[in-house]
Amino acid sequence: DQQVKQNSPSLSVQEGRISILNCDYTNSMFDYFLWYKKYPAEGPTFLISISSIKDKNEDGRFTVFLNKSAKHLSLHIVPSQPGDSAVYFCAASGNNNDMRFGAGTRLTVKP
Amino acid sequence: DAGITQSPRHKVTETGTPVTLRCHQTENHRYMYWYRQDPGHGLRLIHYSYGVKDTDKGEVSDGYSVSRSKTEDFLLTLESATSSQTSVYFCAISYQGGNTEAFFGQGTRLTVV
Repeated sequence: DQQVKQNSPSLSVQEGRISILNCDYTNSMFDYFLWYKKYPAEGPTFLISISSIKDKNEDGRFTVFLNKSAKHLSLHIVPSQPGDSAVYFCAASGNNNDMRFGAGTRLTVKP
Repeated sequence: DAGITQSPRHKVTETGTPVTLRCHQTENHRYMYWYRQDPGHGLRLIHYSYGVKDTDKGEVSDGYSVSRSKTEDFLLTLESATSSQTSVYFCAISYQGGNTEAFFGQGTRLTVV
C-alpha cells in the first residue's frame, strides 16, 4: 500500500500564477516531509522540507504547508515559471528513516 | 553535485539471469537507498541501508537483495530477473536519513526481455 499519495497526476498553470501541488499520507508515524523535483533523464533533486512540529516552511518562491490533523501537505509555487515544469514528488519519513514517495505530479507552466 | 554514481546506466538482460546494480558514493553518507520508478507508481523503496552491513526492506523488496560491505558502495541484486523488474532504478544517499535531504544518482534503466 502506498502510504504517500499524490492524487493529481498532472497540473497545468499559466506563467506568473500560483501552482498548488497536493499530497496526502496515511502513516501517522511520519514526522518529516520533503518535496523533490525531477526533470526527464535525471535523478530527483531536493526542493524544500518541513518537520511535523511546523505548519509552514518558506524558501523563496516555494512554500510548503502541513496539516497534520488532515494528514495533508501542499507545495505552493508563486509565481510559477516555465522552468518549474517538471515532475514533483512528495516524500515522507518517520523514525526508521525509510523515505516513502508519492506517485508524483507533472507540472506544466505555460508561457 | 553530490558524489554519487550508478553503474551501469543502461542494461538489457534476459529473463532468469542475475543482475547487479552498483551505487557508489564519495560523500561518506550513512544512509543509502534503492528505489524503482514506474509510471503511475512514482518512486518505490526497494531496500535501504543505515550503515555497513545494516540493511532493511522497503515496500517492494521481493525479488531483490542488497549488500553493503563498505560505506561507499551499495549493491542491488536481482537474483533471477523477471520482466516485471523492467524499470528505472535510482540510488539515493542521505547524511542523517529521512530527516535530511537525499541526493540521487542519475538512474539505471534496466530492461528485462
